Amino acid sequence: AQTVTQSQPEMSVQEAETVTLSCTYDTSENNYYLFWYKQPPSRQMILVIRQEAYKQQNATENRFSVNFQKAAKSFSLKISDSQLGDTAMYFCAFMKLTRGNTGKLIFGQGTTLQVKP
Amino acid sequence: DVKVTQSSRYLVKRTGEKVFLECVQDMDHENMFWYRQDPGLGLRLIYFSYDVKMKEKGDIPEGYSVSREKKERFSLILESASTNQTSMYLCASSFEYRSKRQPQHFGDGTRLSIL
Repeated sequence: AQTVTQSQPEMSVQEAETVTLSCTYDTSENNYYLFWYKQPPSRQMILVIRQEAYKQQNATENRFSVNFQKAAKSFSLKISDSQLGDTAMYFCAFMKLTRGNTGKLIFGQGTTLQVKP
Repeated sequence: DVKVTQSSRYLVKRTGEKVFLECVQDMDHENMFWYRQDPGLGLRLIYFSYDVKMKEKGDIPEGYSVSREKKERFSLILESASTNQTSMYLCASSFEYRSKRQPQHFGDGTRLSIL
């Protein structure tokens, strides 16, 4: 069975600085996706960034980038130039790509990030 | 944009009641999911459906059932609500494009309190 672990329950960062959220996972699969989702306070969960395991290049979306270390089973999220709107709970998630799998996500425990002015 | 709509943001029910949580998506997605979110535990999958009238158990199905009579609607049912089912419930949907599974889109969530 797959597991996803986020070891940082809470983090804070000053506005405009850079912060890195950690995520590790355990799987015997070779083909999978990894995701970071953001859940702002009392608002909808939205996708931040996605990484396909067969791609060596780390995914980037504007100020958000990942450090994907497949051998180490590590998938950290870096937020550059942090903004007040980045305050949210962030979830790391894993999805298998084997046949018959309907895209079930396995989530980590979440990291609450507060960006301070 | 994909719209996943959950019928209630907040709901208060009593122990033993039968509770229905409704979810509707407007993008013709094949797959729909119900999760519960609890502090320190992240999101855990209760049930999912990959087609009309099809359903599969997730990781924590006990005490829940689901119904998918139409493609756009996926209902979560608490047969006899108990206080340990007080939680935030999230619905999500997704589809496959050219055999690649697409990310899930989430609703706003229903915060359910069982008294």
